[in-house]
Amino acid sequence: AQSVSQHNHHVILSEAASLELGCNYSYGGTVNLFWYVQYPGQHLQLLLKYFSGDPLVKGIKGFEAEFIKSKFSFNLRKPSVQWSDTAEYFCAVTFSGGYQKVTFGTGTKLQVIP
Amino acid sequence: SQTIHQWPATLVQPVGSPLSLECTVEGTSNPNLYWYRQAAGRGLQLLFYSVGIGQISSEVPQNLSASRPQDRQFILSSKKLLLSDSGFYLCAWSLWGSNEQFFGPGTRLTVL
Repeated sequence: AQSVSQHNHHVILSEAASLELGCNYSYGGTVNLFWYVQYPGQHLQLLLKYFSGDPLVKGIKGFEAEFIKSKFSFNLRKPSVQWSDTAEYFCAVTFSGGYQKVTFGTGTKLQVIP
Repeated sequence: SQTIHQWPATLVQPVGSPLSLECTVEGTSNPNLYWYRQAAGRGLQLLFYSVGIGQISSEVPQNLSASRPQDRQFILSSKKLLLSDSGFYLCAWSLWGSNEQFFGPGTRLTVL
């Protein structure tokens, strides 16, 4: 079955540290990839997405993600985190052949310490 | 612009009582609609989706049901709540043909 894995469940970083959150999926066909973020007390919102083209995708607030097809990965990165990046981050994937169904990972809680 | 509403924001219900959560979308027509449950450490689990009025697909067998009586209205229901129904319920919509989903504020349901 198609699945999405986020291996880091809880990450704690100091401000200005670099961030990389892992996301892997299991499916050999065409995928669309997303990262969503949920700040404390706010709606889940889209951070960035990949449909096709350049595998390095830039999103809002300085985040980027790289699609590596051979590794079935779509890791999220930020060179220097801020306290305001404290949130829960969800990787999501749509798999070809179906309707617009999005499969979410289990989420990673990021805590940035000032 | 499009907006999505969910109510109530929080709900505390006794075991065995009925449930009705409502989601409405404004500013778009014929959206795809979704109900998710978010549980700590388990991410978002898709419960139901709908591609049109009266068209409901269930992703997992459970104690819940969904209905879409109008184009931009999506309702999550239960006849008798279980303790295990406690959780955070999110409604989402997407444009037909698009994979990008937009989420509502959610409803925190506690079953006692």
